[in-house]
Amino acid sequence: QKEVEQNSGPLSVPEGAIASLNCTYSDRGSQSFFWYRQYSGKSPELIMFIYSNGDKEDGRFTAQLNKASQYVSLLIRDSQPSDSATYLCAVASYNQGGKLIFGQGTELSVKP
Amino acid sequence: GAVVSQHPSRVICKSGTSVKIECRSLDFQATTMFWYRQFPKQSLMLMATSNEGSKATYEQGVEKDKFLINHASLTLSTLTVTSAHPEDSSFYICSARDSVDTEAFFGQGTRLTVV
Repeated sequence: QKEVEQNSGPLSVPEGAIASLNCTYSDRGSQSFFWYRQYSGKSPELIMFIYSNGDKEDGRFTAQLNKASQYVSLLIRDSQPSDSATYLCAVASYNQGGKLIFGQGTELSVKP
Repeated sequence: GAVVSQHPSRVICKSGTSVKIECRSLDFQATTMFWYRQFPKQSLMLMATSNEGSKATYEQGVEKDKFLINHASLTLSTLTVTSAHPEDSSFYICSARDSVDTEAFFGQGTRLTVV
């Protein structure tokens, strides 16, 4: 089992819709959870991080964490074509020195 | 957000030569830096973790004699790909953070092509 798993997609949604990206992780000791966006040929940029169970909202983005289910998600409301990118879920655990372990990424395509 | 500068952004080298990639944190002290490699259509694979003043910790399967990492100061880490081969061609990305509780920021990445 991979440490961090995501659906590779591609996930296609129409402009204005809600895009839902999911991620599961295997290390129950994980403490920090991050969502990065990566455009083709570029390095990842941080969208959001979440440490506690529940929801965390920032503009059009909402991260949801459920540690009991070892599940973290990212919702993008009012999706725009500029949101088309690969979204990477990353998990950090103090047990592993805090290193970031990435999922394989989900490719999102927002159609005008 | 914090700024991490990585150079060069793109490099082409001949097989058998060595290439050095620099990663600098410009506005914070990077206690820890991470080096990743990413092949096309794949995710970031962690190569090694380096803490300032300590030897780097390499992930399983990564040759430490081939990928030399130096983290001599709180703002600079370097990755040297020694005796590069075409299969080392990849996108190398560094990230840095100031503490284990904070998010890591990424450099712009280095596209290495070995010919």
